[in-house]
Amino acid sequence: AQKITQTQPGMFVQEKEAVTLDCTYDTSDPSYGLFWYKQPSSGEMIFLIYQGSYDQQNATEGRYSLNFQKARKSANLVISASQLGDSAMYFCAMREEMAGNQFYFGTGTSLTVIP
Amino acid sequence: GAGVSQSPSNKVTEKGKDVELRCDPISGHTALYWYRQRLGQGLEFLIYFQGNSAPDKSGLPSDRFSAERTGESVSTLTIQRTQQEDSAVYLCASSASRDFWRVETQYFGPGTRLLVL
Repeated sequence: AQKITQTQPGMFVQEKEAVTLDCTYDTSDPSYGLFWYKQPSSGEMIFLIYQGSYDQQNATEGRYSLNFQKARKSANLVISASQLGDSAMYFCAMREEMAGNQFYFGTGTSLTVIP
Repeated sequence: GAGVSQSPSNKVTEKGKDVELRCDPISGHTALYWYRQRLGQGLEFLIYFQGNSAPDKSGLPSDRFSAERTGESVSTLTIQRTQQEDSAVYLCASSASRDFWRVETQYFGPGTRLLVL
């Protein structure tokens, strides 16, 4: 089974609108962390936000927030007030305590912000 | 420089030749990762090092792929007898702490774009 599933290969959003990028995960480890990364066309991977499995509150970092629904095993990224510079690939990733330092990445979602 | 660096940035080679890709992690980072990203696809985990040992080599696609790391510094990914399907961007990343509960984000290098003709 896939550890991380991102079902939206491509998304469009109007500038200044909010958008949700979906991510579901599969683990039997009670201790895990979830990450979102942004990859612009230039290729570098940029860390956006982190959610720990024991965190009581949803993580927020500026315009990014993570809608963490543990029972559903989902960790959707919400970008508020989209900007043209948000156009990029977005990857969801997970790290399990049992698996040590290995990160599992999803296949990514391509976000295009429309002016 | 403070970031992860990789060399070469681009490599064009002929099928059947060997290539070496280099990664310089951020100084002091104990963990180092190699990923492969084919055009339009997600990241494919290849291998990670904790120090200079590789606890997990399960992602290496074939025995043509190997990797080494010297201490907690430079790593080299070697692809022998390259095939056209090896064409991809090879990304290296490093992270700092062994403590799981720290936010151990990975810091990625710019990647090496490999094209096998």
